[in-house]
Formats: sequence, C-alpha cells, structure tokens
Amino acid sequence: AQSVAQPEDQVNVAEGNPLTVKCTYSVSGNPYLFWYVQYPNRGLQFLLKYITGDNLVKGSYGFEAEFNKSQTSFHLKKPTALVSDSALYFCAVRDWNSGAGSYQLTFGKGTKLSVIP
Amino acid sequence: DVKVTQSSRYLVKRTGEKVFLECVQDMDHENMFWYRQDPGLGLRLIYFSYDVKMKEKGDIPEGYSVSREKKERFSLILESASTNQTSMYLCASRTDSDLPGANVLTFGAGSRLTVL
Repeated sequence: AQSVAQPEDQVNVAEGNPLTVKCTYSVSGNPYLFWYVQYPNRGLQFLLKYITGDNLVKGSYGFEAEFNKSQTSFHLKKPTALVSDSALYFCAVRDWNSGAGSYQLTFGKGTKLSVIP
Repeated sequence: DVKVTQSSRYLVKRTGEKVFLECVQDMDHENMFWYRQDPGLGLRLIYFSYDVKMKEKGDIPEGYSVSREKKERFSLILESASTNQTSMYLCASRTDSDLPGANVLTFGAGSRLTVL
C-alpha cells in the first residue's frame, strides 16, 4: 500500500523568508510524486511533479521540490514567500509499479501555509 | 486547458435521499476519479474509472456507487444519503498517455454536499 505523510498541519512563515512544506512517502515500487495547492474556495491546482530524471523539480509560481529517495521525501520549497502563497498544500504519491493500484493517487492530509506580512 | 465541470457547487439533501453528483471532462481523458475532502483527513479516493463502463473501488467506497456510460462523464451516486456523507466532493480526470500534461490530475471546482 502507498501512503503520504505531511507532518505539519500548519506552517507559518514571514513574507520574504524561504518556506518549506514537508512530505514523506511510502510505496513498494517506484513513486510518481506531486504537489497540489488549494486556494480558499477553489479546486486543487497542480504545482509540480517528479516522474523520473533530475531530483530537483521546478514548478509553477516559483515553487520547487527535491526528490530524496534515501529519505523517501519530497519537500516543497520556495526561496521567497509571498502573502499570496497562503493556501492549503497537498503532497501525493502514485506507485506506478503496483499494477491495478497504479491508477490511484494517494494524498496527504494537507498543510496549511500562512505567509505573514 | 482541460476543463472538469461538476454540475452542482452546493447541494442540501435530506437523510435517505438519493443523490447524484455529475462530472464532465472535455479532453478525452481515459481516467476519472471521485474524491471526498474533509478537514484534517485530506482527500480520500471513493471510486475511479479507467475506461467506459469500468470502475474500481478506492479507499472509501461504502455508501457510494458510480456510473460511467460515456467517456466524458462520471457520476457519483449516494443511494441513501446519510449525515456522515456531508463533505466536499471533488471530481478529477487524467490521461496516462505520452501527451503533454499526462499523469497530472485535473480537478473540478468541487461539490459541497450537506445532508440534514
């Protein structure tokens, strides 16, 4: 079975500072990893993904994430936080080796990011 | 851009009623999904479909059924709504082809269901 852990329910960061939202995963095979963001009263939007290749992935709005296989982590980062980054962030994993189960994308419980002016 | 449209943004139903949530996507994606989102629990997969008339149970299928008669449409059915099914329901679609944008779920805006 695949699973995702987002250890922090909430992250607060001052505007202009770097931000990190943590994610660890568990799969039996090889992972596809994703970050999605949900702004208030909106649907989920795709930010970035890791499928294969370079461990550092760059995505929308200046976000990036680093795939670390030994630590089974995929932390989301941004060098300079903006107030407009305040939202709910979800990490997700898909085990593309798991046969029928490879269709499923499993989400973490979400981390609420608040960027303080 | 892929567009996923959920027919109702807000619904209020009574316990025991039959509820239909409709979802339509316009990019010929083969895979469609229904999730529910609850505070502190994240998104949990109810059902998914990888082809017309095909369906697979997700993590929490109890109390729900689905229908996919056409490729673009995936319906979630609550046969007899209960108060613990009050939630935000999110539909999504995805292609696993080699096309740009593959492997990425595109979500609808969500349907907030309240069961009284």
